[in-house]
Amino acid sequence: AQSVTQLDSQVPVFEEAPVELRCNYSSSVSVYLFWYVQYPNQGLQLLLKYLSGSTLVESINGFEAEFNKSQTSFHLRKPSVHISDTAEYFCAVSVKNTDKLIFGTGTRLQVFP
Amino acid sequence: NAGVMQNPRHLVRRRGQEARLRCSPMKGHSHVYWYRQLPEEGLKFMVYLQKENIIDESGMPKERFSAEFPKEGPSILRIQQVVRGDSAAYFCASSPGGSNSGNTIYFGEGSWLTVV
Repeated sequence: AQSVTQLDSQVPVFEEAPVELRCNYSSSVSVYLFWYVQYPNQGLQLLLKYLSGSTLVESINGFEAEFNKSQTSFHLRKPSVHISDTAEYFCAVSVKNTDKLIFGTGTRLQVFP
Repeated sequence: NAGVMQNPRHLVRRRGQEARLRCSPMKGHSHVYWYRQLPEEGLKFMVYLQKENIIDESGMPKERFSAEFPKEGPSILRIQQVVRGDSAAYFCASSPGGSNSGNTIYFGEGSWLTVV
């Protein structure tokens, strides 16, 4: 069975500071990896995903994540955060041949001015 | 192209009543997923359906919960005899499915159930 661990439930950070949200996964088979973002009282939106190829994937709003197979990690980073990045971030995995996602418990990113 | 549509957005039910949550997938999507988000918790998978078939219901509680995705019409998540512990946000998602995997699944805005 697959599982996802997000060790940090909350990450407070000042505006324009760098941030890293950690994600580790466990699986005996190959997986696809995703980061979703949830703004208050809204549904989840895809931020970025890793399927194959380059281990570094980027989103359009400055986030990036790197797939590290040896460490079974898919940490999310941003070099300089904005107030508008305040949200809940979920890491997820899916197993090949299915689109079903298994989510971590989420990390609440709080950006302060 | 409309996204995943869920209704109602907010639903209040008294203990013992039934709750019905509806989900219309994105156009062209034949796979539907239901997730539950309890306060201060992550999203828990409940059930995965294709048209007229339940593919994976490993996350569904054994009693009172059921889901369907008929040939025509939206997917329905039904909760009978609701209890306060059922209060949560219920999210529906859809994907095109098929032989390709790693598809992005798209989420609706959620249905917030409050049991009083």
